[in-house]
Amino acid sequence: DTAVSQTPKYLVTQMGNDKSIKCEQNLGHDTMYWYKQDSKKFLKIMFSYNNKELIINETVPNRFSPKSPDKAHLNLHINSLELGDSAVYFCASSPRTSDTYEQYFGPGTRLTVT
Amino acid sequence: QKEVEQDPGPLSVPEGAIVSLNCTYSNSAFQYFMWYRQYSRKGPELLMYTYSSGNKEDGRFTAQVDKSSKYISLFIRDSQPSDSATYLCAMRFVRGTGFQKLVFGTGTRLLVSP
Repeated sequence: DTAVSQTPKYLVTQMGNDKSIKCEQNLGHDTMYWYKQDSKKFLKIMFSYNNKELIINETVPNRFSPKSPDKAHLNLHINSLELGDSAVYFCASSPRTSDTYEQYFGPGTRLTVT
Repeated sequence: QKEVEQDPGPLSVPEGAIVSLNCTYSNSAFQYFMWYRQYSRKGPELLMYTYSSGNKEDGRFTAQVDKSSKYISLFIRDSQPSDSATYLCAMRFVRGTGFQKLVFGTGTRLLVSP
């Protein structure tokens, strides 16, 4: 029984396309996150949601739009994909916003833009 | 200068060795210090978190924090080939009420040979 799951695991697409990544957690957590990990393994926060509300938006281009239909799901839609968007995108969750030190990560979605 | 500095390695050790992994940071506002382990093509896995200066032990792992020097360490005793992974340190940044995020180091790749 997976705690934080993401789909798809791999995504290969061309520049200019629009794509979505989905995340689900069955931990009962209130807070969910999207991270981007670049080719040098640097992991950086993109967005944070608490109970469907956007808490953090870390100067991410408008082409990225997160959406949380309920507190167990957080999706990421990317418009007009660019080469620089190629990275591994991780979803994570924590019990509450105040428990950011206790985050559990999904397996990642490896996005390749050609 | 990055807020969190971590030697990327790789760090190669023989099985049974004691491993020391380190991070330095510049922002004295960081609270909570975490260590994550990331196997190749997997999501980061939380190993330990600490709040105050001092040591925290969990099995073969010991996390050490020295806030005065802005230096944290993770020690692994009796290292095993299964410990081969990238180890990421992370620190919690808090601003005002409601804004918290993790800032990650770039990770140290550890290779434990049989």
